[in-house]
Amino acid sequence: GNSVTQMEGPVTLSEEAFLTINCTYTATGYPSLFWYVQYPGEGLQLLLKATKADDKGSNKGFEATYRKETTSFHLEKGSVQVSDSAVYFCALSDRNAGNMLTFGGGTRLMVKP
Amino acid sequence: EPEVTQTPSHQVTQMGQEVILRCVPISNHLYFYWYRQILGQKVEFLVSFYNNEISEKSEIFDDQFSVERPDGSNFTLKIRSTKLEDSAMYFCASSPTTWLNYGYTFGSGTRLTVV
Repeated sequence: GNSVTQMEGPVTLSEEAFLTINCTYTATGYPSLFWYVQYPGEGLQLLLKATKADDKGSNKGFEATYRKETTSFHLEKGSVQVSDSAVYFCALSDRNAGNMLTFGGGTRLMVKP
Repeated sequence: EPEVTQTPSHQVTQMGQEVILRCVPISNHLYFYWYRQILGQKVEFLVSFYNNEISEKSEIFDDQFSVERPDGSNFTLKIRSTKLEDSAMYFCASSPTTWLNYGYTFGSGTRLTVV
């Protein structure tokens, strides 16, 4: 079956530091990949997505590249801000497995001033 | 920006009681979903709903769960006889199409606590 594994948190960084949150996946078909973000007290918001190998998703300074050869979709940001503090979820959808999302466990990011 | 609205934000219920979690999806969306997240665990798919019927459901979605779109705007999740292990955050979501290139729009969630 499909699965997503992401690094456990919390990840604590100082403002303006470089961020990487690792995400790897297992899928039977050709998945689309997503990063969702959950700010305190809010729902899951789509941050970025990539639908095929070598696609790069980007939004709000965050980037992730769909790497089929390493089955990875690592999230990066060059300079984090305190407002980026949230929980980040990697997820996939696989057309061969219906239209549900399979999520990773989430990684909490804490950015200190 | 259109939102998915969930009510209540927090519900406490006694074991064995029935609960109904309510959601108002985005008005022009056609596909509706429920997910849940037990504290400290992954977000898990429960069910998807399209054209007034369930299109997919997970193993979690057993006979104690049901979904309904009673009036064309609300989308509800009913748990008939709650168990302690049903305590979780429940997320509703909607999407305009089944093709997940676009991702879903999620609500803020309902935290269900079964005591």
